[in-house]
Amino acid sequence: GAGVSQSPRYKVAKRGQDVALRCDPISGHVSLFWYQQALGQGPEFLTYFQNEAQLDKSGLPSDRFFAERPEGSVSTLKIQRTQQEDSAVYLCASTKNVGSYNEQFFGPGTRLTVL
Amino acid sequence: RKEVEQDPGPFNVPEGATVAFNCTYSNSASQSFFWYRQDCRKEPKLLMSVYSSGNEDGRFTAQLNRASQYISLLIRDSKLSDSATYLCVVHTGTASKLTFGTGTRLQVTL
Repeated sequence: GAGVSQSPRYKVAKRGQDVALRCDPISGHVSLFWYQQALGQGPEFLTYFQNEAQLDKSGLPSDRFFAERPEGSVSTLKIQRTQQEDSAVYLCASTKNVGSYNEQFFGPGTRLTVL
Repeated sequence: RKEVEQDPGPFNVPEGATVAFNCTYSNSASQSFFWYRQDCRKEPKLLMSVYSSGNEDGRFTAQLNRASQYISLLIRDSKLSDSATYLCVVHTGTASKLTFGTGTRLQVTL
């Protein structure tokens, strides 16, 4: 079946531009996560949704980062006034149920480069 | 100090070798532990969960020592296809987020 998909796969933005990154989780998956992975590092948690509710946004690095999942399926991560330090791969993951033992399935990521 | 620490490597080993990766975590309240594998420019994928009793999946053996807050992964009879970055991953608390180590890069050569 279809896995997690993300678009665009690559995005180049000029400093100061706004960007929107889309995640389509596996159909029926309740939980959705966004992670940021800088070069040579492991993914770092940004935010978590259970259905349409954003239950944890403690990892968002600044108020320029905003995420939504209005209908409990597709999610969008928006970055306003991008800075060079925002350059990273943004990974989306989903799980079928709530709970720590559920495998997180990752999408291929969006590679963002801010010039 | 990072919550999950790993030796970044790279570990360069010949085919057929046995290689071990270690990982330490700082939060004693951590509940679940995993190894994920990430190929170059690809997404992470679950390799195996880690249990206190130790668990094995083919050539891969994972071990958890809660007292020392230490996790290990052993790969026997390494294959070229094992070349990847291995991420040590910890789940802590009621939130469902995962905390990743920086990853250990493995390169298996002929």
